[in-house]
Amino acid sequence: DAGVTQSPTHLIKTRGQQVTLRCSPKSGHDTVSWYQQALGQGPQFIFQYYEEEERQRGNFPDRFSGHQFPNYSSELNVNALLLGDSALYLCASRGQPGSPLHFGNGTRLTVT
Amino acid sequence: AQTVTQSQPEMSVQEAETVTLSCTYDTSENNYYLFWYKQPPSRQMILVIRQEAYKQQNATENRFSVNFQKAAKSFSLKISDSQLGDTAMYFCAFMKHASNDYKLSFGAGTTVTVRA
Repeated sequence: DAGVTQSPTHLIKTRGQQVTLRCSPKSGHDTVSWYQQALGQGPQFIFQYYEEEERQRGNFPDRFSGHQFPNYSSELNVNALLLGDSALYLCASRGQPGSPLHFGNGTRLTVT
Repeated sequence: AQTVTQSQPEMSVQEAETVTLSCTYDTSENNYYLFWYKQPPSRQMILVIRQEAYKQQNATENRFSVNFQKAAKSFSLKISDSQLGDTAMYFCAFMKHASNDYKLSFGAGTTVTVRA
């Protein structure tokens, strides 16, 4: 039973560019959320998707957007990249309410 | 908004000994979940233990146990018989007890190093 999978593992982009990160949830999970983890810090909630809609959003600008597909997989898009967007981006999935989140291994984004 | 505070940036413990990590949180909610997650160098966030606020009994998972003090808003993690594989960053996290709320609020983390 595959857990949460994320791609790519690492990514290097230049300021001003756009990036798309991908996530496949754990089998049986229908809710996906994204977190940004700066070096040496705890993850910060970006947003959560359920039934192909954004249901919750953290304190992130509109440059951060996402999508969820009918098969529950999800994408995180970041436009007009800034140096400060360099971080580990974690995807998490969950099944029924009250059950814990399962995390992927993350995508390490470096903006130069 | 919920805030989670971990006041110990780093902890070091000898193999086979016990270490306790502290966590405090601030919330106006009455029902919620608290978690400890472990993040080894592999980067994956792994659930260590989970506590439901309405349960008075402290959660335990093998060598891991918590001391949950709801009135004090404190949620410490005790790692007994520490093993080298316990070396990782540990995060305390909070989640509201609501069917439509999936947001985890994390603390800044505590780096635990187990010495041989």
